[in-house]
Amino acid sequence: QQQVKQSPQSLIVQKGGISIINCAYENTAFDYFPWYQQFPGKGPALLIAIRPDVSEKKEGRFTISFNKSAKQFSLHIMDSQPGDSATYFCAARPINQAGTALIFGKGTTLSVSS
Amino acid sequence: NAGVMQNPRHLVRRRGQEARLRCSPMKGHSHVYWYRQLPEEGLKFMVYLQKENIIDESGMPKERFSAEFPKEGPSILRIQQVVRGDSAAYFCASSPDILNTEAFFGQGTRLTVV
Repeated sequence: QQQVKQSPQSLIVQKGGISIINCAYENTAFDYFPWYQQFPGKGPALLIAIRPDVSEKKEGRFTISFNKSAKQFSLHIMDSQPGDSATYFCAARPINQAGTALIFGKGTTLSVSS
Repeated sequence: NAGVMQNPRHLVRRRGQEARLRCSPMKGHSHVYWYRQLPEEGLKFMVYLQKENIIDESGMPKERFSAEFPKEGPSILRIQQVVRGDSAAYFCASSPDILNTEAFFGQGTRLTVV
């Protein structure tokens, strides 16, 4: 069964610090790796995404690093702010699977203390 | 442009009753996906539908659960004879076409079975 393993389960970071969340997958048949941000009582919202032909993608304070050979990818949040406090999910989309049936990690709850 | 609309936001059902969850995709989107989120868990794919067709229902429990996306009107996720284990947040996502990898999520329906 294809899986995406996410760590840590929870993370506390000081304001201004770097938040790092890691994901690993067990199957090479993925072609799209998004990260979603979810606030309490809200639906997940796409934060940033990467494809396996790219090793890094940066958008503002958010960076995805992708290591194809290690089957790992991570989210880095620079200059973390209290407003970044949320649950973050990594996901992967299987190749040749109809639609966008993403497989999600279990999530990381980030708390940024001021 | 309204986002993905789900209703109700909260639903309480007694064991044995039926639950109906509705999802109106974003304007112009013809692909709908249902996910279930249990506490401390990631989002689990349930079913992928296009107008009047079920494309992939590999994540749907074999019994009591059904989904439809009629030509007119919202997509419906139906759970018959609900049990306490069905208590979860159910999210709907939509996308405009099969090649577009971004899925937009609704705010979810939180089902509580008492």
